[in-house]
Amino acid sequence: DAGVIQSPRHEVTEMGQEVTLRCKPISGHDYLFWYRQTMMRGLELLIYFNNNVPIDDSGMPEDRFSAKMPNASFSTLKIQPSEPRDSAVYFCASSLLSGGAYNEQFFGPGTRLTVL
Amino acid sequence: AQSVTQPDIHITVSEGASLELRCNYSYGATPYLFWYVQSPGQGLQLLLKYFSGDTLVQGIKGFEAEFKRSQSSFNLRKPSVHWSDAAEYFCAVGRGGANNLFFGTGTRLTVIP
Repeated sequence: DAGVIQSPRHEVTEMGQEVTLRCKPISGHDYLFWYRQTMMRGLELLIYFNNNVPIDDSGMPEDRFSAKMPNASFSTLKIQPSEPRDSAVYFCASSLLSGGAYNEQFFGPGTRLTVL
Repeated sequence: AQSVTQPDIHITVSEGASLELRCNYSYGATPYLFWYVQSPGQGLQLLLKYFSGDTLVQGIKGFEAEFKRSQSSFNLRKPSVHWSDAAEYFCAVGRGGANNLFFGTGTRLTVIP
């Protein structure tokens, strides 16, 4: 398996522009997570999905952020409009909850977002 | 609510020396505990995990961790550090019935020759 795939790997944009980050989870996984990592706040969970349904979006910072998972193999995280304080590395992770056991999350390589 | 504390922001060790990274958790029931490693420019990779049973857990790359309920700790250890171990290490806790994790702030490991 290719692992979790994220695109783009790097994104530089100007304040006010719309940014869309993409994620392809590992095939067969039923959970998908979006994280944001900054020096100041560390690794923060933004939102996660189970079977394409958003379960907890309490970590989404504000209405400018939205996430969708239209099918089991694709998810997007959108920021509109973007602001300089959104600059961070955004990670997508997926996992499979099987037999009630708690399984590891597999992380993608991340998207480094810079908002000028 | 569950939380994780990694008291050491940055640790420097000599190659070949032993290593211990500290992790303390706060959770009312039996926690699910994880250690992840993040190399520069990479995503996080699981080193090891603890759910139940033997409190000494072996992981990849020669790492181990010991769960101590009385101290609410899950410290990561390695007997002999290699230069390639330089990275950021994250402790995380999860709770049963949910699949989300709470991560500590990380400990950056520098290895000197």
